[in-house]
Amino acid sequence: AQKITQTQPGMFVQEKEAVTLDCTYDTSDPSYGLFWYKQPSSGEMIFLIYQGSYDQQNATEGRYSLNFQKARKSANLVISASQLGDSAMYFCAMREYSGGSNYKLTFGKGTLLTVNP
Amino acid sequence: EPEVTQTPSHQVTQMGQEVILRCVPISNHLYFYWYRQILGQKVEFLVSFYNNEISEKSEIFDDQFSVERPDGSNFTLKIRSTKLEDSAMYFCASRGTDISNQPQHFGDGTRLSIL
Repeated sequence: AQKITQTQPGMFVQEKEAVTLDCTYDTSDPSYGLFWYKQPSSGEMIFLIYQGSYDQQNATEGRYSLNFQKARKSANLVISASQLGDSAMYFCAMREYSGGSNYKLTFGKGTLLTVNP
Repeated sequence: EPEVTQTPSHQVTQMGQEVILRCVPISNHLYFYWYRQILGQKVEFLVSFYNNEISEKSEIFDDQFSVERPDGSNFTLKIRSTKLEDSAMYFCASRGTDISNQPQHFGDGTRLSIL
């Protein structure tokens, strides 16, 4: 069974600074993928970034980047130049194939990020 | 940008009653999902649906739950006889293609409160 661990229940960062949100995983599947989602207080789940196990480079999407360390089984999300609107819950999730090309997501417990002005 | 739409945003129901949560996935998407998030806990997979049938379901998805895609656009989750522990946020998600890096796109959720 797959497992996702987010060890930081809460994180604080000053506006305009960078912050790293930790995610470690455990899987026996050599072909896995990791997703990060943002959940603001309003409740919706917003896809941020994806990293595949065979990707040669760390994923980047605007101010979001992944510090992917395969040997350590970690895929930490880095948010640069934090903004007040970044305050939200952040979930790391792993793709688990159900059969064929379909998959389900296994989520971590999340990290609540608060950006201070 | 196309989005997944869920209705209602909040549903309050008496224990033992049936409830139907509705979702309109992104047009042309092929894979559909329901997840739930009990308050303060992590998001849990309930069921996936592809090619007009359930492709996988979790232990949570027992006989009280069912899903349907009645008309090619809506995707519904029915809970036959609700229990207090069914109170949660329910998310619908859809995915368009077979490509493995394509994310699941989530709706805004339906908050279900069982009294």
